[in-house]
Amino acid sequence: NAGVTQTPKFQVLKTGQSMTLQCAQDMNHEYMSWYRQDPGMGLRLIHYSVGAGITDQGEVPNGYNVSRSTTEDFPLRLLSAAPSQTSVYFCASSSPRDRGNYGYTFGSGTRLTVV
Amino acid sequence: DAKTTQPPSMDCAEGRAANLPCNHSTISGNEYVYWYRQIHSQGPQYIIHGLKNNETNEMASLIITEDRKSSTLILPHATLRDTAVYYCIVESLAGSYQLTFGKGTKLSVIP
Repeated sequence: NAGVTQTPKFQVLKTGQSMTLQCAQDMNHEYMSWYRQDPGMGLRLIHYSVGAGITDQGEVPNGYNVSRSTTEDFPLRLLSAAPSQTSVYFCASSSPRDRGNYGYTFGSGTRLTVV
Repeated sequence: DAKTTQPPSMDCAEGRAANLPCNHSTISGNEYVYWYRQIHSQGPQYIIHGLKNNETNEMASLIITEDRKSSTLILPHATLRDTAVYYCIVESLAGSYQLTFGKGTKLSVIP
C-alpha cells in the first residue's frame, strides 16, 4: 500500500498566486485532514473531512479551501498565497477502526514557500 | 481534547532506555493517550496508544499512571535513528478527529 501520498513535495509561489496541494490515500479511510507546521512548532489543523462531501474547519482555516468529492482524495487550495502561508503541509487519514489500532497515517509533507 | 505538557528536550545515550514523560492532568475517562514521533520534519509516525493499562509493542512501551494524569513512553534500547520529536496527544475515539499537537519533546540520542 502507498498509504498517504502528497504532491508536490516542494513548491515556491509568488504572493497572490493560487495553487492546489494534492493528497491521496489508498486505505479506504473515511477521515482525512490537512495540517500546517511552522518552524519549531507542532502541527495545526487547517481543514478536515469525515467522508466524501463533508468538510469542516480546523484551527487555522483562513486562506484555504477544501473539497472532498471522493473517498481517496482531499485537495487543499490556496486561494491567494501570502508569505504567512510559508510552511510545511501534512495530510493525514484514518478510520474509526484504524484510529483505535494505528492512529493516523500521515503523508511525507509539502514544503511551500511564498515569496 | 485534554492538553498535554512535555519537556522541550531530552538526551539519551545510545543503547540505554529513553523515558519520555507527559502530563495530561485534565484527561477525561474516555480519552486515550497517543504517542507519535516526527523524524527530520517527515510526517508524524504513530508509535503506541493506551487507555489505562500499560501497553507494549515492537517499538515502545507506554506506562500510564493509575490516576491517568501522566504517562511515560519508554524506548527500551535507544538508537541514533530514534532521534526525533515525540508528541504526546490525548484523544477520544468518540471525538471529532481533531488532533491537538503541542511542541513535543526533542529526543537526542547520543553515541
